This record gives sequence, structure tokens and C-alpha cells, in this order.
Amino acid sequence: DSGVTQTPKHLITATGQRVTLRCSPRSGDLSVYWYQQSLDQGLQFLIQYYNGEERAKGNILERFSAQQFPDLHSELNLSSLELGDSALYFCASSSRFEGQMNTEAFFGQGTRLTVV
Amino acid sequence: AQKVTQAQTEISVVEKEDVTLDCVYETRDTTYYLFWYKQPPSGELVFLIRRNSFDEQNEISGRYSWNFQKSTSSFNFTITASQVVDSAVYFCALSPGDRGSTLGRLYFGRGTQLTVWP
Repeated sequence: DSGVTQTPKHLITATGQRVTLRCSPRSGDLSVYWYQQSLDQGLQFLIQYYNGEERAKGNILERFSAQQFPDLHSELNLSSLELGDSALYFCASSSRFEGQMNTEAFFGQGTRLTVV
Repeated sequence: AQKVTQAQTEISVVEKEDVTLDCVYETRDTTYYLFWYKQPPSGELVFLIRRNSFDEQNEISGRYSWNFQKSTSSFNFTITASQVVDSAVYFCALSPGDRGSTLGRLYFGRGTQLTVWP
């Protein structure tokens, strides 16, 4: 058990809909990262938050957004869903202190999103 | 630019064979971190090891060993006496560490599917 919790584990929704994926980081971790895993693109970094603030963006579509709340949990919002958004979405947490030597990222079990 | 290449898409071995998974990386950062993760059929990503760019010591953990060579930009992973439970997709990843880089962001290879037959 990595200590990172993601809900739901599975999600099936229709095209055009909006969903929210939730992530609770390991206790005390301030950084949260979102990744998308698809057959086409492999594992791709989407976005990072540190202590409530957005720190970096990767290949994240404009239809996607995220936030990190004061209790450090994070949500990834996916809207106007398309078939190609079907993927496994991972959340990871690491680094209790910014600037700290890079620690390993611990991943949640992922949310498998299927858009039909 | 940051890049990780795992040239082996799939490897099949028979139990008790040794197997090496290759990983080649590219980065201009002088400080960086290398990782291996395991993704079993259940789908989660399991952390195996982290290596810092300034520490080229090889590491052994049970049946697992890692060979880090900066001269060839490689970070290879060997499983000795493989077991059926080792069947999984293995990912090599790079995290740049220089000032201005996104600390903690991982660049993944495409993974190597390892199948161990009984």
C-alpha cells in the first residue's frame, strides 16, 4: 500500500460528460502529480500541485483542470469527454518540502476511465 | 529535453532464468534521478528503486540488481532467478533535478512487458 488513495477505481461515462477524479496524497506529502496512461501515449505527466498551488503543467488538455485543496487532497476534472480520453489516470505524491532532494513518487492505484 | 528509451517491448523467459531490462536516458541536467517502477496486471505502479546521478554505485536487493552507467546513459535492471510473480510491465523513469526543472516530475519510458513462464 503506497499510502496514496484514488477514487473511484473505475468510471464509465458517455462522451460529452464531465467527471471528477479524486486523490488523497500520503500523509504529510505536499506535492501531488497527475499522470495519464494510455496505449497511444504511454505514461504522460499532466500537472503538478504543491501545497495548493499549481507548479507545472505537462500535456494537459484545456478540457482538463485540477486543483489541490487546503487539506492537500487533489481533484482532476475532465470535461467534454471524448473516446480518446479513455485511460488510466494516476495520482502520485512526494516531497514534503520544496527543494528537497528529489524523493521517489508514490502512486495511487489509478482510476480507469472508460468513455463510451 | 528529457527522454527515456526502453527498446525491449516484450521479453519472455522461463522461470529461474536471469533477465535484464534495458533503459537508456537523455538529459542535459547535471543532477537527475532515475527510477524503476513495476506495474503488475492489477495496474498499480510499484516503486522499486531510485538512483541519483551523482551515485553510480550498483545496487542489489534480493533477486533484483541495477547497473547505472553514466558513460553510456544507461540504468539497466536485472532479475536473477526469475519467478512467475515477476511477470509485469517494468518502467524506467527519469526526473530532472537542476534549478528550473520541475522537481519530482517523471519522464517514463514506454515500458517492457516481462512474462515469466513456469
